[in-house]
Amino acid sequence: DTAVSQTPKYLVTQMGNDKSIKCEQNLGHDTMYWYKQDSKKFLKIMFSYNNKELIINETVPNRFSPKSPDKAHLNLHINSLELGDSAVYFCASGIAGGPDEQFFGPGTRLTVL
Amino acid sequence: EDQVTQSPEALRLQEGESSSLNCSYTVSGLRGLFWYRQDPGKGPEFLFTLYSAGEEKEKERLKATLTKKESFLHITAPKPEDSATYLCAVKGSSNTGKLIFGQGTTLQVKP
Repeated sequence: DTAVSQTPKYLVTQMGNDKSIKCEQNLGHDTMYWYKQDSKKFLKIMFSYNNKELIINETVPNRFSPKSPDKAHLNLHINSLELGDSAVYFCASGIAGGPDEQFFGPGTRLTVL
Repeated sequence: EDQVTQSPEALRLQEGESSSLNCSYTVSGLRGLFWYRQDPGKGPEFLFTLYSAGEEKEKERLKATLTKKESFLHITAPKPEDSATYLCAVKGSSNTGKLIFGQGTTLQVKP
């Protein structure tokens, strides 16, 4: 009965490759988020989609492109991977306009060699 | 600019030794302050939401409190299984719903 799921759990790839991470939520929330957690465990927002519309696009390189086919799914595609992209990427879901909490997925650990 | 600072960065306690974690924040129009627990290799797990100054919430050995400038997470008689990183986040008045996180406090409870 997973609320927010991500695939894959681990991703190891070479510099310059293109990769995707998928996220799905079954909580009925209208908004989904991508966060990046660096080696110091600092979580920072990257993108957010509300009902398939992009509402947050923080200062993130153009190589990162989120896509939301429907409000239950949010994918993250990364082009031309760089060493600095190595991090843990978390998907989350919530209700944008409300005060309530967000629920996080298990994370995808991306390692760029 | 919305900002969250947590202290200490790391905390080591003996089992049964109570303590508090601090979360200081500046935010325009606080809509909610959130505490999460994160175990190694896992996603943040929701603990509490606090909405207004003076509010308190409890769950087992944890109690979260909120003032206009900071929140405390009090841990009473901790056990080794309470060892984790505790994250504080705020949601401001924008309708984007984004959370601004602090850097976390890593708690280790020794038996």
